[in-house]
Amino acid sequence: ETGVTQTPRHLVMGMTNKKSLKCEQHLGHNAMYWYKQSAKKPLELMFVYNFKEQTENNSVPSRFSPECPNSSHLFLHLHTLQPEDSALYLCASSHEGTGDGGYTFGSGTRLTVV
Amino acid sequence: LAKTTQPISMDSYEGQEVNITCSHNNIATNDYITWYQQFPSQGPRFIIQGYKTKVTNEVASLFIPADRKSSTLSLPRVSLSDTAVYYCLVGDMGNAGNMLTFGGGTRLMVKP
Repeated sequence: ETGVTQTPRHLVMGMTNKKSLKCEQHLGHNAMYWYKQSAKKPLELMFVYNFKEQTENNSVPSRFSPECPNSSHLFLHLHTLQPEDSALYLCASSHEGTGDGGYTFGSGTRLTVV
Repeated sequence: LAKTTQPISMDSYEGQEVNITCSHNNIATNDYITWYQQFPSQGPRFIIQGYKTKVTNEVASLFIPADRKSSTLSLPRVSLSDTAVYYCLVGDMGNAGNMLTFGGGTRLMVKP
C-alpha cells in the first residue's frame, strides 16, 4: 500500500457509459495528478491539480473530466469513451514546494472500453 | 523540461550489481533526479532521489557527476524480483505545474 488508493482496480465500460475513477491520498500532499499508460507506451500526464486548482490540462479530450473537491481526493469522470482509451490510469500525489520525495503513485485502474 | 535518455533494456543475473545510466544534458539548476521502479499493471514506485554527488538508501545508490548531465542508478545484488521497468525523471519537484514527463524507461530482466 503506497498511501494513494485508486478505485476501482478494474473497469470495463461500453462506449456510451458514464463512469468515474476515484483517487484518495492521506499523505498530506497538496498536488495530485492523473496519468495514462497505454500498452508499451510511456506514461502520459493528463491533469495536474495543485491545492485543488487545476494547473495543467495536457490537451486531453473533453470526454475525460477531472474533479478535485479537496486536496485528498481526485476523480476522473469518463463519458463516451473510445476503444483506444483503454489503458492503465494512474493517480499520483506529491508535496509541492519541498522538491523532494517525488511522486507517490496508486496501483492504477485498468480500464477496458468495449 | 529536461529530456532523459536511457537504454531500452538490460539483462542481468541474480546476485550481480546492475548500473543503469540516464543522460539529461539540459538539466536545470532547480532540477532533481528521481528514479522509479514499475512492475506490470502497477504504478511506479519511488526508489531514490538526488541532486548531486552520491545518494544511498536501503535499496539503491544514485551517482551524479559534478556536471549533473547524467546519473547512474546502482542496484546491488539484484534478485528475480527486481525485474521491472526503471524510469529516470528529471525536474523541479517543488513545482507541480512543471508537468514532469516520463520517458520510455529501461526494462531490466534478471535471470536465474
